[in-house]
This record gives sequence, structure tokens and C-alpha cells, in this order.
Amino acid sequence: EVQVLESGGGLVQPGGSLRLSCAASGFTFKHYAMNWVRQAPGEGLEWVSTISGGGDRTFYPDSVKGRFTISRDNSRNTLYLQLSSLRVEDTAVYYCAKEGAGTYHFDYWGQGTLVTVSS
Amino acid sequence: SYELTQPLSVSVALGQTARITCGGNNIGTKNVHWYQQKPGQAPVLVIFRDTNRPSGIPERFSASNSGNTATLTISRAQAGDEADYYCQVWDSSFTYVFGSGTKVTVL
Repeated sequence: EVQVLESGGGLVQPGGSLRLSCAASGFTFKHYAMNWVRQAPGEGLEWVSTISGGGDRTFYPDSVKGRFTISRDNSRNTLYLQLSSLRVEDTAVYYCAKEGAGTYHFDYWGQGTLVTVSS
Repeated sequence: SYELTQPLSVSVALGQTARITCGGNNIGTKNVHWYQQKPGQAPVLVIFRDTNRPSGIPERFSASNSGNTATLTISRAQAGDEADYYCQVWDSSFTYVFGSGTKVTVL
């Protein structure tokens, strides 16, 4: 059974940093791209970043580019998201999501971890 | 940047059919995926690559995609289908795009 489990969320001040983790199991982790998707309170879904299976390619939307860094440790089956220069508008539940095979979608999601940016 | 347009809400009588639209420029040329999100829960993939259901998703969920509109259809709607539904595509600039979401209410 595929499982992804996020951790690391919490309360942080504007301008601060935080690292999220996502532990994966039930599939061959290194064979799949992995993603982070966030959801601000009461809002819709927003893609945050993607990393290839080998970890050599990363992608971000303009809203987080230069502030967030996605990485992975295939020996530990773990995905990471380093959040820096955080803003109030980064407050959201952050979901880890496994890439589906072939056509750029998300076939398994974790339960999410809440990041609150506030002074 | 590519945009997807969904209605804010759709209401359906118990046992009837709900249709949720997702509009985008020439969306018929893209692969469209649909997610269901119940309150307080993570999204769940219900349709991928326009018309395909993952294992465990009831046959009552179906979808189509043509021209400028993709549609998710929920047949024989049940109370448990009440949720927010999001469409999603991948844009060629390497961007995953979500629609704004549609709240489905079963009356």
C-alpha cells in the first residue's frame, strides 16, 4: 500500500525558515517524481514544486522560486521541502504527492502538514 | 499562464446526475485530471488522463474532454459524494495548473 506522510509543519515568523519532510513507502521511491502542493485556509490547491526521480531536475512556480527548495534522499525514501524567506501568504497545509505514471498528475497524497506564518 | 475555470458550486438531488465543468483554452488537447476533496481530508484522484478511473473509484464517476471544456459526471449521486472537486492539467511551461474548485452539494 502506497503511503506518504508529511511532518515538520508549525508556526514561524515572517522571514523565517522551516523544513518539511515526507516519508514514502509502498512503492519504488526512486522511480517516481514527487511533488508538494499547498492549500491556504479556505482556498484551492496550488502546486509548489516537483523533483524528478533521480533528484537532478526541480521545478517551481514563480510564487516560490528562489525561496523554496525541494530535495530528496532516495536511500531514505524521503522527500523534503526547505521553506525560506517565509511570508504570511505562505500559510497553508502542505501536501506531499506522488507523481502518477505518464501524464503529470498526483495519484497519492499525504494528509498534509500545516505551516503558519505569523508574527 | 494557462487558466482553468470551474463553477463555484453545483447542486444535485440524491440519486440524480451532477456535471462539473472545467473550462480552458483548447483544453481538449491536454490531459485533464480530477480530484475529490472532502472537508478536512487530503485530495483523492478520481479521474486521470481525461477518462480513466483509478482502482477503487466507483463507476459512477466518469469524465470527458473536448474543445474548450472538460466535464466530470457523477451519476446516481450519493450523500458521500459531497465534496470539493478540482480539475488539473499540466502546462507546457512545466506548470501544474488547478481549477479553482467546485463545491458539490447533494440535496
